Amino acid sequence: GENVEQHPSTLSVQEGDSAVIKCTYSDSASNYFPWYKQELGKGPQLIIDIRSNVGEKKDQRIAVTLNKTAKHFSLHITETQPEDSAVYFCAASMTGSQGNLIFGKGTKLSVKP
Amino acid sequence: DAGVIQSPRHEVTEMGQEVTLRCKPISGHNSLFWYRQTMMRGLELLIYFNNNVPIDDSGMPEDRFSAKMPNASFSTLKIQPSEPRDSAVYFCASSLEREQYFGPGTRLTVT
Repeated sequence: GENVEQHPSTLSVQEGDSAVIKCTYSDSASNYFPWYKQELGKGPQLIIDIRSNVGEKKDQRIAVTLNKTAKHFSLHITETQPEDSAVYFCAASMTGSQGNLIFGKGTKLSVKP
Repeated sequence: DAGVIQSPRHEVTEMGQEVTLRCKPISGHNSLFWYRQTMMRGLELLIYFNNNVPIDDSGMPEDRFSAKMPNASFSTLKIQPSEPRDSAVYFCASSLEREQYFGPGTRLTVT
């Protein structure tokens, strides 16, 4: 079955710097890759996603890139702010799995003011 | 839109008691997922339903766990009897296509 690896497990940056979180997946049939942000005491919130027919997608300060050949995808946050501090999860799923997401273990991002 | 609604938000119970967690998905969504989150194991999918039918329950840890979805707007996850190792945050999520939207979770503590 699918396996998703996520790195790093913790990341600390200064406010205004960029943050990058990387994930790899094992099943080449996976074609949907969402990213979730989880703040303390809350459920994961979908922040951006990418499908395998696209190499990059951007939404304001957040961007996601996908390399299908290498089977890895990354989340990029630019101009980080203290409110970006949270745990970020990547996930993968494939067509026909009826939305069954396989999650990475998460990255705890701390943005220091 | 109220989003996914879960109740209770917190549950403290004694070992051996029955626990029932409840979920109301987003109106119009046709898939519902139950997850468990712990520090050790991260986010684990327990079971998911499509059009109220259980599709994959391979993540349900033991026969002590059961889930139902009697209609499109309600689902329950039951643990009977509960054990201390069941302590975790349980999330419900719903989706229409690929995007899953999570509820706020139920923090379960079994003493």
